[in-house]
Amino acid sequence: NAGVMQNPRHLVRRRGQEARLRCSPMKGHSHVYWYRQLPEEGLKFMVYLQKENIIDESGMPKERFSAEFPKEGPSILRIQQVVRGDSAAYFCASSPRADVAKNIQYFGAGTRLSVL
Amino acid sequence: EDKVVQSPLSLVVHEGDTVTLNCSYEVTNFRSLLWYKQEKKAPTFLFMLTSSGIEKKSGRLSSILDKKELFSILNITATQTGDSAVYLCAVEGLYNFNKFYFGSGTKLNVKP
Repeated sequence: NAGVMQNPRHLVRRRGQEARLRCSPMKGHSHVYWYRQLPEEGLKFMVYLQKENIIDESGMPKERFSAEFPKEGPSILRIQQVVRGDSAAYFCASSPRADVAKNIQYFGAGTRLSVL
Repeated sequence: EDKVVQSPLSLVVHEGDTVTLNCSYEVTNFRSLLWYKQEKKAPTFLFMLTSSGIEKKSGRLSSILDKKELFSILNITATQTGDSAVYLCAVEGLYNFNKFYFGSGTKLNVKP
């Protein structure tokens, strides 16, 4: 059973370009969470999605950032017109149904975005 | 405002020492508290705690939750260099949906 798969592992973009980060949840998981982590800091919640629905995007900047989790395929975190401040590690986590007693999030290895 | 605070921020010990990491929280509609270990990659799950006073144990690691005082501790006995990592605490709140709040982590460095 493959874990949470994120790609690419490393992504380099120039200012103004677009970054697309992909996350395939664990098999059987229908909930996906995206987090951002700056050096020496903890994980900051960005967005929580279920299939075809955004449940909570309160942690995501209003501009340039968007996320989706289509019926088929991975979840995508998209950052348009990247700026240097977007450089960070972006982690995706998945969990099974939210109403189970053990709602444990399992994390992918992250995508390290560097904006030149 | 919901928040999770971990202390200390960093810790340096020698192999064989025992360490205690702290996590305090203020989260509405608490559901669970989770501990993760993060090395240079994905955070890996250690423990989930939902009830006060019940210790969870795995080898040299153990953790306990106090829901009255709103904190948890993670103990590591007989530390090894392989324990060096950032330890993250996360608290799940239950609203219309599940929301996880992470602390900033405790960076543990175990020296030989």
